[in-house]
Amino acid sequence: GENVEQHPSTLSVQEGDSAVIKCTYSDSASNYFPWYKQELGKRPQLIIDIRSNVGEKKDQRIAVTLNKTAKHFSLHITETQPEDSAVYFCAASQGGNKLVFGAGTILRVKS
Amino acid sequence: GAVVSQHPSWVICKSGTSVKIECRSLDFQATTMFWYRQFPKQSLMLMATSNEGSKATYEQGVEKDKFLINHASLTLSTLTVTSAHPEDSSFYICSARGGGSSGNTIYFGEGSWLTVV
Repeated sequence: GENVEQHPSTLSVQEGDSAVIKCTYSDSASNYFPWYKQELGKRPQLIIDIRSNVGEKKDQRIAVTLNKTAKHFSLHITETQPEDSAVYFCAASQGGNKLVFGAGTILRVKS
Repeated sequence: GAVVSQHPSWVICKSGTSVKIECRSLDFQATTMFWYRQFPKQSLMLMATSNEGSKATYEQGVEKDKFLINHASLTLSTLTVTSAHPEDSSFYICSARGGGSSGNTIYFGEGSWLTVV
């Protein structure tokens, strides 16, 4: 089955700097890669997703890149703000079916 | 976006009793819903895939007789934790795939905190 690895497990950045979180997946059949932000005790919130037919997608300060050949995808957050502090999860799935999540990254933005 | 609602948001039960958690898709029909469990400071682990009108598909290591899943309609799936024990205490969260223009986007319920005492 699919296996998703996520790095780093924790990330501290200064406010205004960029943050990058990387994930790799194992199943070449996976074609949908969402990123979620989760605050303590709350549901994961979809922040951006990418499908395998594109290599990059951007939404304001957030971007995701996908390298299908290498089977890895990354989340980029620019101009980080304190409210970006949370746990971020990547995931992979086939056609939007069951998601396999990475282990998560705790992002701390220091002001 | 599509809305998935989960109830209750938190529940405390005695060891040995059963607890039911509901997951509803409020503005779309979901033939498939997913149940996850998340222990503190850990990732979301898929427990089972709930299929409307048929048996759920359980992930390896998940006891189907302990975690009963029923998906009797296109908008409701339920998870019943039977004979709950303290080690079952966790954050349980469901998700459903949105239809129509939502495509493959998966939406999560609010989650349910279960504490077994």
